[in-house]
Amino acid sequence: ETGVTQSPTHLIKTRGQQVTLRCSSQSGHNTVSWYQQALGQGPQFIFQYYREEENGRGNFPPRFSGLQFPNYSSELNVNALELDDSALYLCAWQGAYEQYFGPGTRLTVT
Amino acid sequence: GQNIDQPTEMTATEGAIVQINCTYQTSGFNGLFWYQQHAGEAPTFLSYNVLDGLEEKGRFSSFLSRSKGYSYLLLKELQMKDSASYLCAVFSGGYNKLIFGAGTRLAVHP
Repeated sequence: ETGVTQSPTHLIKTRGQQVTLRCSSQSGHNTVSWYQQALGQGPQFIFQYYREEENGRGNFPPRFSGLQFPNYSSELNVNALELDDSALYLCAWQGAYEQYFGPGTRLTVT
Repeated sequence: GQNIDQPTEMTATEGAIVQINCTYQTSGFNGLFWYQQHAGEAPTFLSYNVLDGLEEKGRFSSFLSRSKGYSYLLLKELQMKDSASYLCAVFSGGYNKLIFGAGTRLAVHP
């Protein structure tokens, strides 16, 4: 049990729509990262937030954006959804050295 | 570039020992992690190596050679519940993003 929750668990959207995924931690850590995991692949780093500011980004277009809030929660927003955005989206909060992952949101784009 | 390689699939027998190898080439290195991921679930932390050598933790051990860009995860006394994907990940970059391999699917048979 990592103390990290994500909502919703599953989501189905249509191409071109927008989606917001949420993540929260009971731990009180300041750094949160988001990852995209396609079926059969390892997670791919999207971006990281530290104290409500983005401080690192992977190879994802600007239509992927995020927010971090003072209450140890975070959002991932994806605009203009594409079919290839179908994946498991994971958030992870930074501990002393390891990252604690949430259970993920399974997004399907049709 | 950033590259992490691990075998796609492995099979083993209950009670046996299995070694999962991982080689990496990354632009920065701040440590190597192994995570276990059951289908549809979040990755869970298994081990962390930042210095060369072997780290032992119950039935699981992990080895790192930084000069060779090589790590392995050793699982002893295999149990059916060990059937899962095992992800090798490197902490890289100034803001400690995790770069994951594609994962090794381990199937444990009776």
